[in-house]
Amino acid sequence: NAGVTQTPKFRVLKTGQSMTLLCAQDMNHEYMYWYRQDPGMGLRLIHYSVGEGTTAKGEVPDGYNVSRLKKQNFLLGLESAAPSQTSVYFCASSDGLPAGNTIYFGEGSWLTVV
Amino acid sequence: QQQVKQSPQSLIVQKGGISIINCAYENTAFDYFPWYQQFPGKGPALLIAIRPDVSEKKEGRFTISFNKSAKQFSLHIMDSQPGDSATYFCAASTGYKLSFGAGTTVTVRA
Repeated sequence: NAGVTQTPKFRVLKTGQSMTLLCAQDMNHEYMYWYRQDPGMGLRLIHYSVGEGTTAKGEVPDGYNVSRLKKQNFLLGLESAAPSQTSVYFCASSDGLPAGNTIYFGEGSWLTVV
Repeated sequence: QQQVKQSPQSLIVQKGGISIINCAYENTAFDYFPWYQQFPGKGPALLIAIRPDVSEKKEGRFTISFNKSAKQFSLHIMDSQPGDSATYFCAASTGYKLSFGAGTTVTVRA
């Protein structure tokens, strides 16, 4: 059972380039999330989805777009990468609201923008 | 601006000792308070969680103490082991959103 899988694991981008991070979960979870982790700031929610075809903004959505065309996949896009987007990105999923439902995280995607 | 403030940033404890991590919040709408454990190169994993109508929850060597009136909660790791060396995040949720503290790196010396 793979759980939450993120690809790629590592990526270096030049400023202004675009890329997409792919998240896949095999637990049939309704809710999916994208977080970024920066030193001294914990994890901050970028976007989330409460079901196939839905997306919503989190705490730090600027510069990112997401899509949830299939229930098992949640894509995070950077249209024009900036050095401030250098971070570790985590995808997560849960069966329902965080209260009372375990949120399962992937192993992370390390992104460097130069 | 972080909605959950966590301290200390790091701590070192001897094997067998007690590790204590504290968190504070302001938003009274928070209704669920989990703790996550993260090892280097891995994603966070749920360790233990508590609801605000309970003052304490214990699972093995890990205990959450919750003070609703003070809007504070803490994680106690009893009989700390080298395998407990990790970064610990407190968090609080309301609705769909989970807000994390900045994290505490715990090092257990053998």
